[in-house]
This record gives sequence, C-alpha cells and structure tokens, in this order.
Amino acid sequence: GENVEQHPSTLSVQEGDSAVIKCTYSDSASNYFPWYKQELGKGPQLIIDIRSNVGEKKDQRIAVTLNKTAKHFSLHITETQPEDSAVYFCAAMTRGSTLGRLYFGRGTQLTVWP
Amino acid sequence: DGGITQSPKYLFRKEGQNVTLSCEQNLNHDAMYWYRQDPGQGLRLIYYSQIVNDFQKGDIAEGYSVSREKKESFPLTVTSAQKNPTAFYLCASKPLAGATGELFFGEGSRLTVL
Repeated sequence: GENVEQHPSTLSVQEGDSAVIKCTYSDSASNYFPWYKQELGKGPQLIIDIRSNVGEKKDQRIAVTLNKTAKHFSLHITETQPEDSAVYFCAAMTRGSTLGRLYFGRGTQLTVWP
Repeated sequence: DGGITQSPKYLFRKEGQNVTLSCEQNLNHDAMYWYRQDPGQGLRLIYYSQIVNDFQKGDIAEGYSVSREKKESFPLTVTSAQKNPTAFYLCASKPLAGATGELFFGEGSRLTVL
C-alpha cells in the first residue's frame, strides 16, 4: 500500500513568519493529496487539497505544492497567527481506489508564538 | 446541522471489559471509517464500510469489531482482546468510498483503560 512520510514532527515559528511542512509518498498512482488541521481535542478538518493535474493551489494564507516526479508535496502557511497552532496531517489517495482510503502522515505539531 | 456525532467523548474502562463507541452521521454518506490516533503515530485505519451491511478490516483491526446495519450508524466495539486500547478514536465519513473530496470527522472519543 501507499506510504506517506511527513516532516518535521514539530515546528515552532514566531507569529508572522512562514511555516512549511513536507510530505513524500511512495505510490506513483496516488492522485489526490489533502491536508487536515486538528485542533486540540477535536477531529481533523480539511484545509486544502490538491489533485495530481495541478502543481500548486492557494487559499488565502495557505498554499500547497505538488511535485509528481519527486513524489512530494508541501503545505505553506504565510503570516502565521497563534490560531494556526494545531496538528497538521498530510494524506494521499490512490487513483482508482474503490475503497477510497486515505493514507495519512504522522502529523506535524505546529506552534506559533506571539 | 449536518455532521458526525461520536459518543461518549470520554470513556473509562476496566481491563477485560468490552466497550462500544457510537458514531452517527446525518450527512447521507455511504462510506464510513474508524481511525485510532496515538501520539506521534498519525491516524491508523481500524475498519471501514463502503455501504450498509458491508465492512472491511483496516490496518489494525485486531481486537476491534464493527457493524453497519444502518446507513447513518457505524459503532465500534473495543474488545478485551485489544492489547492496548487506550487511545483517541475518530469516526469519519464521505459521500462515496471511491471519490476524492473531503473526509468529514467527528470530534472523537477518548478511551482510557484503567
């Protein structure tokens, strides 16, 4: 099955700085890559996703980039704010998967210091 | 409001006891999933169901059981055979198993074995 690696496991930044989280995947047939944000004691929520026919996608302060050749994708958060502090998970889904399961990375604990 | 409801939010259990975690969704989704979350381990898939009366084992199904008798309900039983059941359990759903798009999560149930 697919294997998703995520780095770093923890990340601390000053408010206003940028944060970057990187993920790699193993299955070249994967074609859907979502990012989830999990606040303390809550369930994860989708914040942005990208499909393999697109190299970059932006939504306000959040962007995701995808390099299919290298099999890696990254989450970029600009102008970080304390409310961005959370655990972030990347995931991958394989094209044609009838079961539709997502393979998740191990998560990154992001802390934004005021 | 549509969403996924998990109960109870916190549960304590003595060793050797079975416990059932409830998951109900009113989103009319066909596919439902159970994940286990441990610190630093990400989200690991326990069981999933593509449709009513059908379910498959995920990566860590040993010691767990599920049923899918109704579209909106997917309860998870943690049996006494589960060696290390203390964890945070997340239920999720999406419209169709094979489709890309958002996976909707509940707020989780935290199980502690005393």
